[in-house]
Amino acid sequence: DADVTQTPRNRITKTGKRIMLECSQTKGHDRMYWYRQDPGLGLRLIYYSFDVKDINKGEISDGYSVSRQAQAKFSLSLESAIPNQTALYFCATSGRGYRPQETQYFGPGTRLLVL
Amino acid sequence: GESVGLHLPTLSVQEGDNSIINCAYSNSASDYFIWYKQESGKGPQFIIDIRSNMDKRQGQRVTVLLNKTVKHLSLQIAATQPGDSAVYFCAEILQGAQKLVFGQGTRLTINP
Repeated sequence: DADVTQTPRNRITKTGKRIMLECSQTKGHDRMYWYRQDPGLGLRLIYYSFDVKDINKGEISDGYSVSRQAQAKFSLSLESAIPNQTALYFCATSGRGYRPQETQYFGPGTRLLVL
Repeated sequence: GESVGLHLPTLSVQEGDNSIINCAYSNSASDYFIWYKQESGKGPQFIIDIRSNMDKRQGQRVTVLLNKTVKHLSLQIAATQPGDSAVYFCAEILQGAQKLVFGQGTRLTINP
């Protein structure tokens, strides 16, 4: 999964701080996604983008914002972090195929702890 | 609403045995189902998918079964190996939608 990179891989921050998680991909994919994973739960979609000018809210977008700076870059921001945003965050990409879910590639994840 | 869940959170099997991981879904409008494997410290990896107009699909050592009558999905792994130890997620795509809805996950442990 080196084609999808996430920085940082681990981050500890305090309540109220602004945090940005970055995602870069070299797969040439148009579609990018941000997910959150909590212990014992599946992944939940935060935001997704089908191209540079397209941004869509997922099921849990409150408290988050995103920026699609380029086709290859999609960043996730927590404007004012709170403890219940402690989670594992994944970026993913997919192509334009009819079955985009088949080509959804995930990054290695960013582990965020909000104190 | 969108809801995908798993019957069991953990499953242990002996190496070499077959394993079956189950998943229930509630939205009859879902037309695509996918199984992902997530190893420790890594992102999910696609394993196999199935369309709603199929009831079975086979891959290498894996088989996915879909029972639309009871809204049930299963992943069968044959001749399990230590490398199969991971958390397995089912996910669905609603007809016309472009995003995945993930289930809770089952942790599969392969005992030597």
